[in-house]
Amino acid sequence: GAVVSQHPSRVICKSGTSVKIECRSLDFQATTMFWYRQFPKKSLMLMATSNEGSKATYEQGVEKDKFLINHASLTLSTLTVTSAHPEDSSFYICSASRRDRDTIYFGEGSWLTVV
Amino acid sequence: AQTVTQSQPEMSVQEAETVTLSCTYDTSESDYYLFWYKQPPSRQMILVIRQEAYKQQNATENRFSVNFQKAAKSFSLKISDSQLGDAAMYFCAYRSFLWGGAQKLVFGQGTRLTINP
Repeated sequence: GAVVSQHPSRVICKSGTSVKIECRSLDFQATTMFWYRQFPKKSLMLMATSNEGSKATYEQGVEKDKFLINHASLTLSTLTVTSAHPEDSSFYICSASRRDRDTIYFGEGSWLTVV
Repeated sequence: AQTVTQSQPEMSVQEAETVTLSCTYDTSESDYYLFWYKQPPSRQMILVIRQEAYKQQNATENRFSVNFQKAAKSFSLKISDSQLGDAAMYFCAYRSFLWGGAQKLVFGQGTRLTINP
């Protein structure tokens, strides 16, 4: 079946540094990918929609300069948290849209801890 | 904008019994999809069941079934013969039928389901 892989699954970084999370569709081309953030015991909050070859569309309230999203190929989207702060610590999940099956697949998620 | 509401933050059920999770939504669209996702402690999002709004028949997947009431904008999930492995966070979600940027999923707040042995 279709698989979406996120890497790393867990990352710890120092405050002020940047960290990149990758989201790959392993066996299909994903023209659209989505990035979510999930706080403890809360629902998924959509951060941005990533379209291959174009700029991401950010949801209201999400800082574009802090959460950089790049979708350079049909199988890879990246989320870079720039100048990370402890409040950026969270669980980040990506999903990829497979158009020929009209289905969205989720990655395993990435835990980010900023110390 | 579409909204999804899950009014039950927590539910519990005895093993082997039946439980129903509630979900209501608001939309002005006539064509759309509705989903139930399960998120176990691993945090992996697992699709439980999917319903196309144009289908009158309620979707069923083994022990999981839905009660889709389009006019009432209600989409409840029934889990029969509950098993310990069903314990998880359950999210109701909405997606527009249109392709393009409208593909995003809109999630409800979630319901934490506990199975008592």
